[in-house]
Amino acid sequence: TQLLEQSPQFLSIQEGENLTVYCNSSSVFSSLQWYRQEPGEGPVLLVTVVTGGEVKKLKRLTFQFGDARKDSSLHITAAQPGDTGLYLCADYQGGKLIFGQGTELSVKP
Amino acid sequence: GAVVSQHPSWVICKSGTSVKIECRSLDFQATTMFWYRQFPKQSLMLMATSNEGSKATYEQGVEKDKFLINHASLTLSTLTVTSAHPEDSSFYICSARGIRVTKNIQYFGAGTRLSVL
Repeated sequence: TQLLEQSPQFLSIQEGENLTVYCNSSSVFSSLQWYRQEPGEGPVLLVTVVTGGEVKKLKRLTFQFGDARKDSSLHITAAQPGDTGLYLCADYQGGKLIFGQGTELSVKP
Repeated sequence: GAVVSQHPSWVICKSGTSVKIECRSLDFQATTMFWYRQFPKQSLMLMATSNEGSKATYEQGVEKDKFLINHASLTLSTLTVTSAHPEDSSFYICSARGIRVTKNIQYFGAGTRLSVL
């Protein structure tokens, strides 16, 4: 069974700082997705990456997919309090979406 | 876009009672629905997968007699927690995948917080 490991587990930073969170897999990702979840809500899809080496940008968020398709990173530039939430990577395994443990991000004003 | 509605958003029940949670796809037909459970400060753990008209497939360690899943139509799936106990208190989230929406994309409900007293 593929394991998705995210790091760090918790991250607390000041507004305006940059940060990077990571997602690593024990095997090749089929279709890696990044989600953001706020307390008491369902996860919201941010991006899907499929091709090794792919880079996608979503405003201040930059997503990178490793060449070997076994790792990915999410970089946030100039973090804002509104970025606070649980960031999850997920991959399809046998038709089911399986999530990593998540990174809990807190951005303080 | 595709919308998944979950009801109720929050439920409190007494130990030993049963609770039903509904998950509806509002503007698309969901051939497959998924149920996840999430404990505080943890990630989503898949409980079961259900295809319309078929019995649900449960993940290892999930009691199928305790968590009854029904997917009787292409727009509705229900999760019933039978004889709930305090350890069943959790955040339950459903997700749906359809035949006419983007491939490999699951749409998530807003979740149901279950508190068992």
